[in-house]
Amino acid sequence: DAGVIQSPRHEVTEMGQEVTLRCKPISGHDYLFWYRQTMMRGLELLIYFNNNVPIDDSGMPEDRFSAKMPNASFSTLKIQPSEPRDSAVYFCASSFRPLGLAGEGNEQFFGPGTRLTVL
Amino acid sequence: TQLLEQSPQFLSIQEGENLTVYCNSSSVFSSLQWYRQEPGEGPVLLVTVVTGGEVKKLKRLTFQFGDARKDSSLHITAAQPGDTGLYLCAGGKTSGSRLTFGEGTQLTVNP
Repeated sequence: DAGVIQSPRHEVTEMGQEVTLRCKPISGHDYLFWYRQTMMRGLELLIYFNNNVPIDDSGMPEDRFSAKMPNASFSTLKIQPSEPRDSAVYFCASSFRPLGLAGEGNEQFFGPGTRLTVL
Repeated sequence: TQLLEQSPQFLSIQEGENLTVYCNSSSVFSSLQWYRQEPGEGPVLLVTVVTGGEVKKLKRLTFQFGDARKDSSLHITAAQPGDTGLYLCAGGKTSGSRLTFGEGTQLTVNP
């Protein structure tokens, strides 16, 4: 398997523009997670899906952020309008089982990330 | 807010030395994971501990979960340059799949 795929790897945009980040989870994984990593705040969970349904979006910063998962193999994170403080590395991760279950399969596999710079 | 504090934040040592990284919280977690992240890549899971007092070994790495499941440590014996990276601890609860990450420890092992 190719692992979690994210695109683009790098995005530079101007303040006010719409930004769309894309993720393809590992085939067969029912859980998909969007994270944001910055020097100041570290790695933060934004939202996660189970079977394409958003389960916990309490980490989404504000209404400018939205995430969708139209099918099991694709998810998007959209920022509209973008602001300089949104500059960060955004990671997508997927897992087969929920974290709360011990044993094999609950490991989260991370993609390579998208480095977003908003000027 | 559940916080996981890692110490030290930065660690630079010579090849062959031993080191310990700590992860502490005031909250109880049902599981504690350790990840390593290299530049330009996503974190990669090293280990999951779920039982208070549990010790797991992965070659030269030893992970321990505190008895009260509020803290954890990672010990590396005879560090090598290939161990260089950002080490992250992450705590999880029984319900849901939300992981809370620590700020990370940036380890540099010099040859």
